[in-house]
Amino acid sequence: EAQVTQNPRYLITVTGKKLTVTCSQNMNHEYMSWYRQDPGLGLRQIYYSMNVEVTDKGDVPEGYKVSRKEKRNFPLILESPSPNQTSLYFCASREGQDSYNEQFFGPGTRLTVL
Amino acid sequence: SQQGEEDPQALSIQEGENATMNCSYKTSINNLQWYRQNSGRGLVHLILIRSNEREKHSGRLRVTLDTSKKSSSLLITASRAADTASYFCATRLSGGYNKLIFGAGTRLAVHP
Repeated sequence: EAQVTQNPRYLITVTGKKLTVTCSQNMNHEYMSWYRQDPGLGLRQIYYSMNVEVTDKGDVPEGYKVSRKEKRNFPLILESPSPNQTSLYFCASREGQDSYNEQFFGPGTRLTVL
Repeated sequence: SQQGEEDPQALSIQEGENATMNCSYKTSINNLQWYRQNSGRGLVHLILIRSNEREKHSGRLRVTLDTSKKSSSLLITASRAADTASYFCATRLSGGYNKLIFGAGTRLAVHP
C-alpha cells in the first residue's frame, strides 16, 4: 500500500530534550516536506526536500533541522525543543518536483513540549 | 495574512444539503488544490484546478476558479455525514515557485 508513515504518532517531552520524528514514504517520491498545523493558522511549511541531499527552508524553519540521506526518509529533528513547538506535525511527499502532482500526507505526529 | 483564506471558518448543514466553501488568495497562482482532513488525521487530496481552468468536477465535488477575483469555491452536493471534516485550499504561486501554501480551513459538520 502506497503510504507515508510517521513515528511516533504522539510524543510528550520536556524543554531541551532532543527528539527526532521519522518520516518514510514507499512511493519513490522525489519531493518531501514537513508542516506544522496550529489552530487558526492552517499548515505552515517547515522544511522541504527536492531530492536526496537537497533540502531547503520553508516558512517556519527556526528550531528545526532535517536531513535527506535516502530518498524514502526525511526525519525532522528538534535539537532543543521549546513549548512553542507544541503542535501537530505532518510529513508529506509527492512525485517529481512540480506541484501539479498531489501531495500524500502522513497520519501526523502530535507533539507536546512541557 | 495568509495567501489562501477559506470562508466560512465553520459550516453546519443537514445530510442531503449542498455545502459550499470559498477560498480567496492574494497573488497569481499556477494551480489551486483542495484537501480534506478528518479530525486529527493527515490531509487527503481531493481535486486540483489549474489557473487556465474555470471549473472541474469529481464525483459529488465541483470546484470553480475565478482568477480575476482570485477566488475558488468547493461545492459538495448531496452531503453525507461522512463528509464531516475540515477542508483546505492550497495554492501554488506562479513564477516557478514550487511550494503549496495552505489556508486555515473550513470545518464542515454534516448532521444526519
